[in-house]
Amino acid sequence: NAGVTQTPKFRILKIGQSMTLQCTQDMNHNYMYWYRQDPGMGLKLIYYSVGAGITDKGEVPNGYNVSRSTTEDFPLRLELAAPSQTSVYFCASSYGRGRGIEQYFGPGTRLTVT
Amino acid sequence: GDSVTQMEGPVTLSEEAFLTINCTYTATGYPSLFWYVQYPGEGLQLLLKATKADDKGSNKGFEATYRKETTSFHLEKGSVQVSDSAVYFCALSVSQGGTYKYIFGTGTRLKVLA
Repeated sequence: NAGVTQTPKFRILKIGQSMTLQCTQDMNHNYMYWYRQDPGMGLKLIYYSVGAGITDKGEVPNGYNVSRSTTEDFPLRLELAAPSQTSVYFCASSYGRGRGIEQYFGPGTRLTVT
Repeated sequence: GDSVTQMEGPVTLSEEAFLTINCTYTATGYPSLFWYVQYPGEGLQLLLKATKADDKGSNKGFEATYRKETTSFHLEKGSVQVSDSAVYFCALSVSQGGTYKYIFGTGTRLKVLA
């Protein structure tokens, strides 16, 4: 099992450009999540999905979009990149969302917007 | 609101030293508590967890006890190794509005010197 994979590992964008961060999991998990981590801060939830075709906003969704056409894939789209979106982005998955259930994380994508 | 507070790093120790990383939480419900570890270049992975008061989670020589009376979940290890150098995240999950919310601390970087 590869677990949760993310691409790319690093990316530099110019202000106003767009890009898609890819996330794939091979554990057949229904739940998937996108977080961002800013320096000195905890992880903040951007979007999550409870299954194919179902997504919902987290704490900080502005400036992002997601889709979930398959169980495996959960891409995050940045439209009109802004410097405030400079961050490390983590994708995660879990088999459920309940008491004591852990999340499995990808290695992260470090994004810089200049 | 719900939150997790953990000690700021970096924490620098010599090999075989005793480690404590403090974590306290506030939660409106009855949370599950987690410690995740992030090794360089990798995603977060679960280190240990506890789901009810007085439970002790343990793994790889690390331990943490769920203390409801002090709302704490401090991470300890009796003798650290260079390979323990990583960033450690305290986290909680708690029921909210029919689903579960996950909250992460800011992470504590540990550096162990040979």
